Amino acid sequence: DAGITQSPRHKVTETGTPVTLRCHQTENHRYMYWYRQDPGHGLRLIHYSYGVKDTDKGEVSDGYSVSRSKTEDFLLTLESATSSQTSVYFCAISVVLREKLFFGSGTQLSVL
Amino acid sequence: SQQGEEDPQALSIQEGENATMNCSYKTSINNLQWYRQNSGRGLVHLILIRSNEREKHSGRLRVTLDTSKKSSSLLITASRAADTASYFCATDDNSGNTGKLIFGQGTTLQVKP
Repeated sequence: DAGITQSPRHKVTETGTPVTLRCHQTENHRYMYWYRQDPGHGLRLIHYSYGVKDTDKGEVSDGYSVSRSKTEDFLLTLESATSSQTSVYFCAISVVLREKLFFGSGTQLSVL
Repeated sequence: SQQGEEDPQALSIQEGENATMNCSYKTSINNLQWYRQNSGRGLVHLILIRSNEREKHSGRLRVTLDTSKKSSSLLITASRAADTASYFCATDDNSGNTGKLIFGQGTTLQVKP
């Protein structure tokens, strides 16, 4: 998957707990993204990053925060997980903003 | 509704036949992209067509873009069982330099051997 590793691949957690998902790339691409995929909604952008310490909100950013302290790592944190955040989360990278995204294999998150 | 909407939602064909999927969008765009997703995996980029292009080919894939109708089609020729997957179109919204790509709901293609 184009040098992208997401961890964990699966996680089950309880409502109200904080959760951090990690995306690691070995491609040195500038742009990184977090999407969630839900039936009936398709893929929706949560946050994205232009570079180290440069991030911006997507269309469904409420309840999520991100950090990028190194080029290769982009962390997604659910501050206090809710059942509505049960989803499959995908990290993606690209050389050019919004073009030819390479996706990771996804993290299946269940919030009970 | 979402910017990119694929049609049909599901398509079932025999190996060797051609598969055509359509995508419609609402606003002006810089480019339109097609992605494939196999079950349980991430999306894979297939092809990008810019707003000033009308047709593009890549192997067995042919993509057309009609900006006057705000629509695109993806043709897979001589389909194989391995083409079984979901196919998504994605557009930027041309409203600024944001990171947002708008994905459609996808077309699920089944190719029967």
